[in-house]
Amino acid sequence: DAKTTQPPSMDCAEGRAANLPCNHSTISGNEYVYWYRQIHSQGPQYIIHGLKNNETNEMASLIITEDRKSSTLILPHATLRDTAVYYCIVRYPTGANSKLTFGKGITLSVRP
Amino acid sequence: GAVVSQHPSRVICKSGTSVKIECRSLDFQATTMFWYRQFPKQSLMLMATSNEGSKATYEQGVEKDKFLINHASLTLSTLTVTSAHPEDSSFYICSARRGRPGDTQYFGPGTRLTVL
Repeated sequence: DAKTTQPPSMDCAEGRAANLPCNHSTISGNEYVYWYRQIHSQGPQYIIHGLKNNETNEMASLIITEDRKSSTLILPHATLRDTAVYYCIVRYPTGANSKLTFGKGITLSVRP
Repeated sequence: GAVVSQHPSRVICKSGTSVKIECRSLDFQATTMFWYRQFPKQSLMLMATSNEGSKATYEQGVEKDKFLINHASLTLSTLTVTSAHPEDSSFYICSARRGRPGDTQYFGPGTRLTVL
């Protein structure tokens, strides 16, 4: 069962912020939200994860709503190399359900 | 982030032969490793989960006798596709994770298998 829903695609202009939404309305209290991306013909790349608080690293920011039912991944200054499929995944920290299950993701196209 | 390597990056083999793919965690010890398969224009599908020193746990519909997984050390897991057929042609991706709760899962670059 897909535990997250994402739009199939979006695009943004190079240099602008890319805001990628994700709905996870059935998320449990101790499930984390993870974001990965996959550039064509490569393995997925870890971007960021969070539980309740907003998180930021050198790649992106993750904004999680207070009710935790949705989140947004923000790429502050998108470049052409950010064109990829972005996966939003919820995951338990331990146990049999701690494996990552991929949905269809959202295809981000960054245009010049 | 942590580095996971795979070898070979691509392999072409004849139908009926067996192919072994190696997955290594280069800078951390991976208690748990995962194998995924991805067909063109589709998402990643988890095939199996393996813990070091234990038998792999296969997802429903994945033949354990066809896809042999060995996780003999904390830095190496292998996937052997036995008696490969053209329908096994796919992109195989491994992933590794330390043993601590909440640890991030890191992925290898993938292996493109083509069975003629």
